[in-house]
Amino acid sequence: AQSVTQLGSHVSVSEGALVLLRCNYSSSVPPYLFWYVQYPNQGLQLLLKYTSAATLVKGINGFEAEFKKSETSFHLTKPSAHMSDAAEYFCAVSAGTASKLTFGTGTRLQVTL
Amino acid sequence: GAGVSQTPSNKVTEKGKYVELRCDPISGHTALYWYRQSLGQGPEFLIYFQGTGAADDSGLPNDRFFAVRPEGSVSTLKIQRTERGDSAVYLCASSPSRGSPDTQYFGPGTRLTVL
Repeated sequence: AQSVTQLGSHVSVSEGALVLLRCNYSSSVPPYLFWYVQYPNQGLQLLLKYTSAATLVKGINGFEAEFKKSETSFHLTKPSAHMSDAAEYFCAVSAGTASKLTFGTGTRLQVTL
Repeated sequence: GAGVSQTPSNKVTEKGKYVELRCDPISGHTALYWYRQSLGQGPEFLIYFQGTGAADDSGLPNDRFFAVRPEGSVSTLKIQRTERGDSAVYLCASSPSRGSPDTQYFGPGTRLTVL
């Protein structure tokens, strides 16, 4: 069984500041991990995914995440926030190459001037 | 190219009624998934199709929920005797079933409101 915990349902940062969104996972098998972003009234869009090829994963829009097995974490970061980054972010885990995703409850990112 | 489309975008119905929600996946994608997203929550898995068959329906909450994909493309999620607790956004995703891991591409969802 798999599960995801996202710490912080709301995160607020200033424009230009570091973005850090936390995700911890639990999995009975080696996991595949994902970050999705959801803008208002839009579908989920993939930011990045961990495929076991490299522990530091780079995604779209300047986001990256690092897989840390010892900490069972897959935190999402971006060095400098933009106003356009304001959205809901979901971490997800799956157990296989074609398998259901188990999502966290999401973190709403607010970016202020 | 065209992404995953879902119709209708909004559906309002009365308690006890039957509803059908439609999903058109990306052309050529063999895998199709349904999720349900309640307010303030992450999406929850309902069912997964590989081709025409349901490979995993462990997320369907009860026998009022049923989904089909008769020709391996379009899928319909059917809900009988709707209840107010069924109100949510129903999301569909498709994937090409290649790559490790597979990437799921999501549609915009159908917002179901049961009065």
